[in-house]
Amino acid sequence: KAGVTQTPRYLIKTRGQQVTLSCSPISGHRSVSWYQQTPGQGLQFLFEYFSETQRNKGNFPGRFSGRQFSNSRSEMNVSTLELGDSALYLCASSLIALGDTEAFFGQGTRLTVV
Amino acid sequence: GQQLNQSPQSMFIQEGEDVSMNCTSSSIFNTWLWYKQDPGEGPVLLIALYKAGELTSNGRLTAQFGITRKDSFLNISASIPSDVGIYFCAGQRGNQFYFGTGTSLTVIP
Repeated sequence: KAGVTQTPRYLIKTRGQQVTLSCSPISGHRSVSWYQQTPGQGLQFLFEYFSETQRNKGNFPGRFSGRQFSNSRSEMNVSTLELGDSALYLCASSLIALGDTEAFFGQGTRLTVV
Repeated sequence: GQQLNQSPQSMFIQEGEDVSMNCTSSSIFNTWLWYKQDPGEGPVLLIALYKAGELTSNGRLTAQFGITRKDSFLNISASIPSDVGIYFCAGQRGNQFYFGTGTSLTVIP
């Protein structure tokens, strides 16, 4: 059974550009959550999608957005990139709608803004 | 979002020693999870706990779901160099996960 797949693994962008990251969850998982991780920081929750709807949102500016497709694949978009957006972006998939469950992470996308 | 209180923040231990770390929260959780993250990689699930008081082992790792449902503990016995990494706890409540701030473990050969 394939795990969570994130693409691309590495990305370098310049300030002001926009970027789109992709996450394919484990087959059958309908919940996809996105997190930002910076050096020395924990996992900062961005948002969670379930059945193409955003269910939860963290405290990030509107430059960070996402969406989920009917096959549960999710994309995250960051517009007008800032240097501080450099981070490891992780997505996690889970069944979650059924209650007690686990979250499985992808390998992450390392974004560097220069 | 809400983060759990995880301690210690970092540990430096000799190979062969046992390790203990814990997470606490002011809120109760339905599930507790423990992850290990290597540099530049995503967290890997180590142990999942579903019931208060539950004690679960995975090789040299043992984790417990606190009776109050507000805390969890992870123990690593007889540490080896490949145990190096950052360990995260996570609590699940409703349709959301909340993560600890991580414990950085260094094992000295």
